[in-house]
Amino acid sequence: DQQVKQNSPSLSVQEGRISILNCDYTNSMFDYFLWYKKYPAEGPTFLISISSIKDKNEDGRFTVFLNKSAKHLSLHIVPSQPGDSAVYFCAASLNQAGTALIFGKGTTLSVSS
Amino acid sequence: DSGVTQTPKHLITATGQRVTLRCSPRSGDLSVYWYQQSLDQGLQFLIQYYNGEERAKGNILERFSAQQFPDLHSELNLSSLELGDSALYFCASSVDGRGRNEQFFGPGTRLTVL
Repeated sequence: DQQVKQNSPSLSVQEGRISILNCDYTNSMFDYFLWYKKYPAEGPTFLISISSIKDKNEDGRFTVFLNKSAKHLSLHIVPSQPGDSAVYFCAASLNQAGTALIFGKGTTLSVSS
Repeated sequence: DSGVTQTPKHLITATGQRVTLRCSPRSGDLSVYWYQQSLDQGLQFLIQYYNGEERAKGNILERFSAQQFPDLHSELNLSSLELGDSALYFCASSVDGRGRNEQFFGPGTRLTVL
């Protein structure tokens, strides 16, 4: 049973527009949510995170929104750039020792110029 | 560059064989994680070590084992390999192994079992 779901396998956006990537989770005990970006032939790289006590976190062009009642989070990229084209993974974790990241299956973002 | 190194980058072997994947964490990180990414699958957590001791176990098969050495590098041993074990294996490290801290991923080892 998948605890973290990314229901859109792919998303295509034009350069300069907003990209919105969505993620749903089932475990209300998760304390932290993280987004990772992955280019081909590379390992995932951390992008942005949010604690479960917040509903928004912003870092430059990237903003993550958390809706705990809906068990939903989203990553907004504004403006989108061609270099943002990658696979984006949503992940969740518990704030305790001995915890791993629970990943979604990823969304492939393609930004066209 | 995340600071996490993994060797080898590619590994091709036959069914029934045994292989060892190696990971060196970022300087100062005490915790190491292993993940498997199969085709069309997200990253599946296998096992975590913290300062030499096993801390958490995920969906790791009994044919797989791992350890973390005193110098903090880690090895993932895969034995009696099957075709379905073909995947990307990622190692990640973090400072203290708690969920609030981001994990830094290595470039991965692509294992192909023929």
